[in-house]
Amino acid sequence: DADVTQTPRNRITKTGKRIMLECSQTKGHDRMYWYRQDPGLGLRLIYYSFDVKDINKGEISDGYSVSRQAQAKFSLSLESAIPNQTALYFCATTSGGEAFFGQGTRLTVV
Amino acid sequence: LAKTTQPISMDSYEGQEVNITCSHNNIATNDYITWYQQFPSQGPRFIIQGYKTKVTNEVASLFIPADRKSSTLSLPRVSLSDTAVYYCLVGDDNFNKFYFGSGTKLNVKP
Repeated sequence: DADVTQTPRNRITKTGKRIMLECSQTKGHDRMYWYRQDPGLGLRLIYYSFDVKDINKGEISDGYSVSRQAQAKFSLSLESAIPNQTALYFCATTSGGEAFFGQGTRLTVV
Repeated sequence: LAKTTQPISMDSYEGQEVNITCSHNNIATNDYITWYQQFPSQGPRFIIQGYKTKVTNEVASLFIPADRKSSTLSLPRVSLSDTAVYYCLVGDDNFNKFYFGSGTKLNVKP
């Protein structure tokens, strides 16, 4: 089983819809992150969490919200999806400087 | 954020050694240097990490000069499967401060 699992792997949704991307990890780490990646670009940080009670905005948090349900679970929500949120989304967990990434969720907003 | 500068792309042939250099002029005393590899539509994967001098593992070597303002990832005898994007990251344990630039797209040819 993968250390970091993201669901769904692919999703097409309509403008204005609410959508949740889920992430779970089996590494036992406290720190979790959500990133988005646009074609040909690097990863940009959306939100991060150092533990269940600690949630922080990243570089591009507008239009997104998160929930840390447990140490192992960190969900990303788009309250009202818009087309420019079409991207590849990655969840990660870290121990020190080493990060473990999920396989990604490809989200298309039409 | 300790930003980094890498070549946008590099070409190589199978069996050659590939060296990718990264500049990080603003590296802080507590920062270390980490390299990640990313295949298309997959999450980045940790390759190697170092603080100074030379680090070697089963996949790559990392060379860091005394002033630490740059580093070089060395991939010995690359194969087609090494075609990927390589990211150089600089930071301490606060992974949320790691800056993912566009990375270096390595294309290995037969």
